[in-house]
Amino acid sequence: AQSVTQLDSQVPVFEEAPVELRCNYSSSVSVYLFWYVQYPNQGLQLLLKYLSGSTLVKGINGFEAEFNKSQTSFHLRKPSVHISDTAEYFCAVHAGNMLTFGGGTRLMVKP
Amino acid sequence: DTGVSQNPRHKITKRGQNVTFRCDPISEHNRLYWYRQTLGQGPEFLTYFQNEAQLEKSRLLSDRFSAERPKGSFSTLEIQRTEQGDSAMYLCASSFTSSNQPQHFGDGTRLSIL
Repeated sequence: AQSVTQLDSQVPVFEEAPVELRCNYSSSVSVYLFWYVQYPNQGLQLLLKYLSGSTLVKGINGFEAEFNKSQTSFHLRKPSVHISDTAEYFCAVHAGNMLTFGGGTRLMVKP
Repeated sequence: DTGVSQNPRHKITKRGQNVTFRCDPISEHNRLYWYRQTLGQGPEFLTYFQNEAQLEKSRLLSDRFSAERPKGSFSTLEIQRTEQGDSAMYLCASSFTSSNQPQHFGDGTRLSIL
């Protein structure tokens, strides 16, 4: 079985500041890792994915994430956030035939 | 790519009634998934289809829940004798078969039980 822990339920940050959203996972098998973003009353939109290869992956909207196998982490970063980045962010692992999601982190960007 | 479409977007019903949701996946995708998301939580896997075959069901999917994908295209999720605890957002996603392919999500159906 696999599990995903997002260590921060809420992250407040000022506009144009950098941000890191933390994600740790556990799994007994190799996994694929994903970050999704969810805006109010909408479904989930894929931000980025790690399948193999380079541990630093770049996604949409200026986000990037780094896979660290030894620490079983997949933290999401953005060097400068915008008001429009305010949303819920979900880390997920794909193993077997399903996605297992973390509890989500609400990013709140303040002007 | 028209995306994954879910209907209705919102459903309000009284406890004990039956409800049915529909999901139209991206046409080229042969896998279709159902998830449930309660307020403040991440989505939880319910079940998935490979074409018309339902291959896996979560323990969350009680016998009041049934999902179908009769022709390997759209899918329906029915909940019989709804309970207060069924109130949630029901999300549908689709993907290609390979497990490293990302799942594409619809905007969900929000179910409210009165």
